[in-house]
Amino acid sequence: EPEVTQTPSHQVTQMGQEVILRCVPISNHLYFYWYRQILGQKVEFLVSFYNNEISEKSEIFDDQFSVERPDGSNFTLKIRSTKLEDSAMYFCASNTGSYEQYFGPGTRLTVT
Amino acid sequence: AQSVTQLDSQVPVFEEAPVELRCNYSSSVSVYLFWYVQYPNQGLQLLLKYLSGSTLVKGINGFEAEFNKSQTSFHLRKPSVHISDTAEYFCAVCQTGSARQLTFGSGTQLTVLP
Repeated sequence: EPEVTQTPSHQVTQMGQEVILRCVPISNHLYFYWYRQILGQKVEFLVSFYNNEISEKSEIFDDQFSVERPDGSNFTLKIRSTKLEDSAMYFCASNTGSYEQYFGPGTRLTVT
Repeated sequence: AQSVTQLDSQVPVFEEAPVELRCNYSSSVSVYLFWYVQYPNQGLQLLLKYLSGSTLVKGINGFEAEFNKSQTSFHLRKPSVHISDTAEYFCAVCQTGSARQLTFGSGTQLTVLP
């Protein structure tokens, strides 16, 4: 069964560094999403992406964040200058445009 | 805007006992409703969804949920739980129409005891 994959599973970075989190959505899906879950808190929506542009974003998704679909298969989330409070589990999701989203296993980002 | 409240952060239950995980939502517009499960060190897996039609929906692993519009609830139930059901369960909503972002509740940790 096709699934969403994410790499790396765990990323440790120093404050102020740039990080890129990678996702490979399911191949025939058209909509892509990033969510994050700070330890002990709710899963929060960050951004959705369709037709090579952002379709929705939350107030969390400020200028420090960007998304890209560089090659037709990968979907990336970039954080330009990480802060301690960016430490979280980041989930990628995708779907065909139905309301059912398929989630990847997540990348745990630790900012020190 | 919408919000989701999961009233119980932790629910311990003995194996083969029934369980109900509660979820209430608030929204000024129509929503679709979902339950996701997260096993340790894994991603979120869809258990079941309500989009329209019968208010009682059945999902995977023997779970079911009932949509109650008047009480704005979508409680998850299972008549007999197994050890393998131990996981975190998340209720989520999204607006009907074009918006597809999910709004999640804070989660309920279900622990099934032998």
